[in-house]
Amino acid sequence: RKEVEQDPGPFNVPEGATVAFNCTYSNSASQSFFWYRQDCRKEPKLLMSVYSSGNEDGRFTAQLNRASQYISLLIRDSKLSDSATYLCVVISDGSSNTGKLIFGQGTTLQVKP
Amino acid sequence: DADVTQTPRNRITKTGKRIMLECSQTKGHDRMYWYRQDPGLGLRLIYYSFDVKDINKGEISDGYSVSRQAQAKFSLSLESAIPNQTALYFCATSDFGPGGVEQYFGPGTRLTVT
Repeated sequence: RKEVEQDPGPFNVPEGATVAFNCTYSNSASQSFFWYRQDCRKEPKLLMSVYSSGNEDGRFTAQLNRASQYISLLIRDSKLSDSATYLCVVISDGSSNTGKLIFGQGTTLQVKP
Repeated sequence: DADVTQTPRNRITKTGKRIMLECSQTKGHDRMYWYRQDPGLGLRLIYYSFDVKDINKGEISDGYSVSRQAQAKFSLSLESAIPNQTALYFCATSDFGPGGVEQYFGPGTRLTVT
């Protein structure tokens, strides 16, 4: 079983739709969680951190469920520019000081006009 | 100018050849990382370095070696390239800090081993 798992998609949605991605992680000692965005053939970039209380940044909402060991990303009012691959990332070695990230394989979102 | 640069950006090489991928950063970060990305597998950590004197193996270090020449430079070598090392390679940097820290990625090197 992979340490971090995502549905690879693709998710094809119309502009304006709301779409949600889930990601599960296997190590219950995982400390920190993130969503990165990767455009086609480009480098990943941090989209947002995921806090225990959940957090929102504009149209994006991230949530953490420690009991069920999953994190989610909700995108409201999808834009064409949201088309990308979204990577779920976990610091999974029990010590967030080491900074070693474990990446999911990514979920591809395609927003269509 | 980009904070994290990688050279070359694209490389085609033959099986058995030695190849070096270079990474430089101007962010002043102590920590540097090498990842490879394959379709359907996500990014996997090859090696990481927390300072010039600290080198650590990642998840998939076999067939690779690294050199941390300075705080700003971290090179990845394939001593004898093989076709299954064909992948997209990323260098990344991060600052030290608790609670998980953002990693900054270079633009990637697309390596093809024939």
